[in-house]
Amino acid sequence: GAVVSQHPSRVICKSGTSVKIECRSLDFQATTMFWYRQFPKQSLMLMATSNEGSKATYEQGVEKDKFLINHASLTLSTLTVTSAHPEDSSFYICSAGTEYQPQHFGDGTRLSIL
Amino acid sequence: AQTVTQSQPEMSVQEAETVTLSCTYDTSENNYYLFWYKQPPSRQMILVIRQEAYKQQNATENRFSVNFQKAAKSFSLKISDSQLGDTAMYFCAFMLRETSGSRLTFGEGTQLTVNP
Repeated sequence: GAVVSQHPSRVICKSGTSVKIECRSLDFQATTMFWYRQFPKQSLMLMATSNEGSKATYEQGVEKDKFLINHASLTLSTLTVTSAHPEDSSFYICSAGTEYQPQHFGDGTRLSIL
Repeated sequence: AQTVTQSQPEMSVQEAETVTLSCTYDTSENNYYLFWYKQPPSRQMILVIRQEAYKQQNATENRFSVNFQKAAKSFSLKISDSQLGDTAMYFCAFMLRETSGSRLTFGEGTQLTVNP
């Protein structure tokens, strides 16, 4: 069964809306989770590292005020796309793991901004 | 910084035949993992196989096996008896071994098509 759960799987909303995506580790505690973005036919691009109880670490070129990350517990990280615009439309996917487990991925969220 | 390179954007194979996907990586670290992930059209990321860098023995999972050449920094995936369900994008990935979990660095991916 799935060890990382991601919701929602699909979001369609109007430009200017803020969208929250949740990522949960189901049967292990993850002090670190990762958020990726993937465009069609391309590889996964790391956006940020979500650290439980502290600020997220963003990759170069990723706007931290645009993509808000909260990791309030050892099993939940959220990514909020604030004031989304059509160029934010993409596939967003999270992952979590430990030293002794490989990274497991959520099923991803297809975000479409109209 | 680590880099991962997959030099084959697309490959195809006939059903029941064997295919090998290439991957090379660059790192100055000694303690790491290598992975192959499969991403079918559903876009779910599925772990196919993993290799610990300190293990000399090549990992095997049923029809999937790797050829890990640490000195050459090469990590190829062999799929035997290819099946139609193997059609997917395959990503090679690198991860440092750290206590709190580490980021994955992905290659560009190889689109594999298994033909009937």
